[in-house]
Amino acid sequence: QVQLEQSGAEVKKPGASVKVSCKASGYTFTLYYVHWVRQAPGQGLEWMGLIDPSTSSTSYAQKFQGRVTMTRDTSTSTVYMELSSLRSEDTAVYYCARARVLRSAFDIWGQGTMLTVSS
Amino acid sequence: QSALTQPASVSGSPGQSITISCTGTSSDVGGYNYVSWYQQHPGKAPKLMIDDVSNRPSGVSNRFSGSKSGNTASLTISGLQAEDEADYYCSSYTSSFRVFGTGTKVTVL
Repeated sequence: QVQLEQSGAEVKKPGASVKVSCKASGYTFTLYYVHWVRQAPGQGLEWMGLIDPSTSSTSYAQKFQGRVTMTRDTSTSTVYMELSSLRSEDTAVYYCARARVLRSAFDIWGQGTMLTVSS
Repeated sequence: QSALTQPASVSGSPGQSITISCTGTSSDVGGYNYVSWYQQHPGKAPKLMIDDVSNRPSGVSNRFSGSKSGNTASLTISGLQAEDEADYYCSSYTSSFRVFGTGTKVTVL
């Protein structure tokens, strides 16, 4: 079935980087955008950015410009989100989600990856 | 890009109808017919309930409906059931690609 499988929980120290993966299955990888959304504990959803797997073109929320990098590997149908210069405020669950076209809704979500940033 | 405004909480008794509002601006909700709604149970990933303002994806109960007027979108849940108790988020396409609402906790009394 159609699914997005994310990598496991991470614990990082302030200033470090983290790379989270999101493996797609059950559909044609290059036909859907992949977005990243995060949710801090007890807080709402926050859009981080997107990648077009067919071209590797990316767009990032202004808040994360310069700190986030999204890449993809078409051979394994996997998208990666790397966040650098981590701080405690980055502690959150990170979700990947797919969308058919640039403006469409997120119809399939990954299970989420918990990132804890603590010294 | 500021978050869209939703009421923090809405409650209703089983069988009743409730409506959640989602207020933005002409740059997001009012400017595009690309508003979606997500249901999130504790510890779970969000689930798409409504897309393109009022379209219900396959498998979503017809008790859920969406609409929009000006800069405000709305999600209505009719025949409220215990399983509807969850957090609900709206989202809109914008020139900056995406913005989410502040979220609404729905409580079934």
